[in-house]
Amino acid sequence: GNSVTQMEGPVTLSEEAFLTINCTYTATGYPSLFWYVQYPGEGLQLLLKATKADDKGSNKGFEATYRKETTSFHLEKGSVQVSDSAVYFCASSGSARQLTFGSGTQLTVLP
Amino acid sequence: KAGVTQTPRYLIKTRGQQVTLSCSPISGHRSVSWYQQTPGQGLQFLFEYFSETQRNKGNFPGRFSGRQFSNSRSEMNVSTLELGDSALYLCASSLYDPTGYNSPLHFGNGTRLTVT
Repeated sequence: GNSVTQMEGPVTLSEEAFLTINCTYTATGYPSLFWYVQYPGEGLQLLLKATKADDKGSNKGFEATYRKETTSFHLEKGSVQVSDSAVYFCASSGSARQLTFGSGTQLTVLP
Repeated sequence: KAGVTQTPRYLIKTRGQQVTLSCSPISGHRSVSWYQQTPGQGLQFLFEYFSETQRNKGNFPGRFSGRQFSNSRSEMNVSTLELGDSALYLCASSLYDPTGYNSPLHFGNGTRLTVT
């Protein structure tokens, strides 16, 4: 079955630092890939997605590129803000019509 | 446009009791999925409903069940509660995409269930 391995947290950065959160997946076929973000006390919000190899998803300064050769979908942002502090989840979908999530990475950005 | 609404936000139940959680999807979304979130197991898929029919089910015991109504609203039920059922239960709605999840999920804020 599908699985998603995500960089262990927590990650603590200073404001304006560069962010990378690693994500790799295993799947049969070619899943769609997603990054979701969860703020305290809330559900998950879709941050970005990519549906095929070499696609780049982007939103709010965050980017991730679907790399089939390395089965990766790493999340990056050039300059983080305090408001980016949250838990980030990488996820993949497949023909089973369900999302498989990584374990989540807690990001804290200090002013 | 209103988002996914889950009620109640918090529940406290005793072992052996049963509980029903409710989810109202975004208007126009006919697919509703449920996920369980715990610190130990993370996010795990429970089931998905479309057109009042369960289309997919995760690896949970039969104590976990659900249903969907003609207006796409969904409920999930957990019978004979165990301490390990304490979790955040998240509902998500989407446009139905038979090929997979190209139509993204929109999550509610969840129901926090505590079993004592």
